[in-house]
Amino acid sequence: AQKVTQAQTEISVVEKEDVTLDCVYETRDTTYYLFWYKQPPSGELVFLIRRNSFDEQNEISGRYSWNFQKSTSSFNFTITASQVVDSAVYFCALGWLGYKLSFGAGTTVTVRA
Amino acid sequence: EAQVTQNPRYLITVTGKKLTVTCSQNMNHEYMSWYRQDPGLGLRQIYYSMNVEVTDKGDVPEGYKVSRKEKRNFPLILESPSPNQTSLYFCASSLGQVYSPLHFGNGTRLTVT
Repeated sequence: AQKVTQAQTEISVVEKEDVTLDCVYETRDTTYYLFWYKQPPSGELVFLIRRNSFDEQNEISGRYSWNFQKSTSSFNFTITASQVVDSAVYFCALGWLGYKLSFGAGTTVTVRA
Repeated sequence: EAQVTQNPRYLITVTGKKLTVTCSQNMNHEYMSWYRQDPGLGLRQIYYSMNVEVTDKGDVPEGYKVSRKEKRNFPLILESPSPNQTSLYFCASSLGQVYSPLHFGNGTRLTVT
């Protein structure tokens, strides 16, 4: 069965601290896609990044970085020098079979000024 | 402006009274899907549609119906709502296969009493 686990329910940090969000997935498929979405307090869901199962190259985008490791089935997300605007719920998701998508339970990040 | 529009944003109804939540996208996307968001469970896929007249069940389809008669519209129908369907619902669309990032609507908060 396909499954996404975000073990951290809530993380609270002070501004400028780094924060890493863990995501562990389970799948038997060899072709799959991993995503991170952000849900700020306003409620909308925003796409952040996508990775396919054949691309383990890590990525940095501004203060955001992602570490994909197939050996440990993990796709972790780090916010460097966090800001109050980073406060949100972050969801990791796994896509497979072309059209199905499973989300993790989400991690609520609170950045205090 | 490219967007996914859901209506209504808020809905309070009583058990057993049929309701429809509409979803429309103006991006000519082939793929559309519905999710419900519940605390501690993240987002769970209800139904998805690969194209007009092509739909399939997600992880939690019980109690819901969908139809895709036009490419732009993908309504979610609750024939006989029950209190356990109280939730926050999101419609989403994308270009095609699951590797395409999802564009989400703003959500519909449904309360069934």
